[in-house]
Amino acid sequence: QQQVKQSPQSLIVQKGGISIINCAYENTAFDYFPWYQQFPGKGPALLIAIRPDVSEKKEGRFTISFNKSAKQFSLHIMDSQPGDSATYFCAASRYSSASKIIFGSGTRLSIRP
Amino acid sequence: GAVVSQHPSRVICKSGTSVKIECRSLDFQATTMFWYRQFPKQSLMLMATSNEGSKATYEQGVEKDKFLINHASLTLSTLTVTSAHPEDSSFYICSASPAGPDTQYFGPGTRLTVL
Repeated sequence: QQQVKQSPQSLIVQKGGISIINCAYENTAFDYFPWYQQFPGKGPALLIAIRPDVSEKKEGRFTISFNKSAKQFSLHIMDSQPGDSATYFCAASRYSSASKIIFGSGTRLSIRP
Repeated sequence: GAVVSQHPSRVICKSGTSVKIECRSLDFQATTMFWYRQFPKQSLMLMATSNEGSKATYEQGVEKDKFLINHASLTLSTLTVTSAHPEDSSFYICSASPAGPDTQYFGPGTRLTVL
């Protein structure tokens, strides 16, 4: 019940296109859903996060869509750029200082010029 | 704000030696710190959770005598890999969380290579 399933494993998108990564969770106690961006040799950086009281959150070119009833959420990257090429992890947790973050398996995104 | 640092950024050591990795929260007090290990092309695996002044809680399958964690202050946690072997080579990442409802803030990671 602690799993977060992420797909696809890898994704290639043309520059200017829309990148879409999907995640599903099982534990209904989760109330915080962050997305992390990780470049090779670097730690994960928080990209954008959503709480379950809203169905969508947008920050610049990045949008999270959240479907509470389906227990699914997705990341959309609009106007994808070569600099967006990285590994993206979805995650889920309780919004608490002591809560573990459950990570998805990651998506390697490549943006072709 | 919410910056977490790690030191060193990379370390190479001989098999059988011990290596200490530091994790610091630079602009907040971290009541809880977490240590993760990440193998190439894989996700982050939580190793242990530590609270300031108390013993760390290790995840199933993580040897507590091999991976010693000390959280002596609200801004510093250390991970010591004892008697390191080549299979311990990995990317170690820490995160820190302030008190109250909040999330974790991740450090830049430490690349450990055991020869």
